[in-house]
Amino acid sequence: AQTVTQSQPEMSVQEAETVTLSCTYDTSESDYYLFWYKQPPSRQMILVIRQEAYKQQNATENRFSVNFQKAAKSFSLKISDSQLGDAAMYFCAYRSNFGNEKLTFGTGTRLTIIP
Amino acid sequence: GAGVSQTPSNKVTEKGKYVELRCDPISGHTALYWYRQSLGQGPEFLIYFQGTGAADDSGLPNDRFFAVRPEGSVSTLKIQRTERGDSAVYLCASSSGLEDTQYFGPGTRLTVL
Repeated sequence: AQTVTQSQPEMSVQEAETVTLSCTYDTSESDYYLFWYKQPPSRQMILVIRQEAYKQQNATENRFSVNFQKAAKSFSLKISDSQLGDAAMYFCAYRSNFGNEKLTFGTGTRLTIIP
Repeated sequence: GAGVSQTPSNKVTEKGKYVELRCDPISGHTALYWYRQSLGQGPEFLIYFQGTGAADDSGLPNDRFFAVRPEGSVSTLKIQRTERGDSAVYLCASSSGLEDTQYFGPGTRLTVL
């Protein structure tokens, strides 16, 4: 079974600075997807960024980028120019590409933005 | 609709009662998922529908939990004889099947007293 580990329960960053959230995972599969979701107090999970394992190029979405290290099974999220609206819980998630559609989530990292 | 909707937003019930939680997916999405999120944890998978059928129900914790999707759109998660340990946020997500991203609803917070 796949597992996802987020070792940072809480992180904080000054507004306009850069922060990196860590995620590692364990799998024996070679083809899969990785995601970062944001969950504000409203509870709704919002997709931040996704990465296909077969792609060597790291995904980027505006101020959000990932560092995907397949051999190390590491998938960190970098947030540049942090904004107050970035404050939320961030969850890393894994999805197999072999017919198993479910997402496996980590335990989350609570990000606080300091004005 | 524009997004996944879930009703009710909050549900308070007494131990032993029956509850139904509803999910209305994004129009046209064939895949629908239910997850349960306990306090301080990430969401945990419960069940996945492809169309009307349950393609994977391996996450349902016991036979008190059941879900249906009779017409391939709206889904209902049903919990019988609720227990205090069932208290959690129940999240629903849908995807089109053409891409792999799951889009989530705002969840239903269930409190069992």
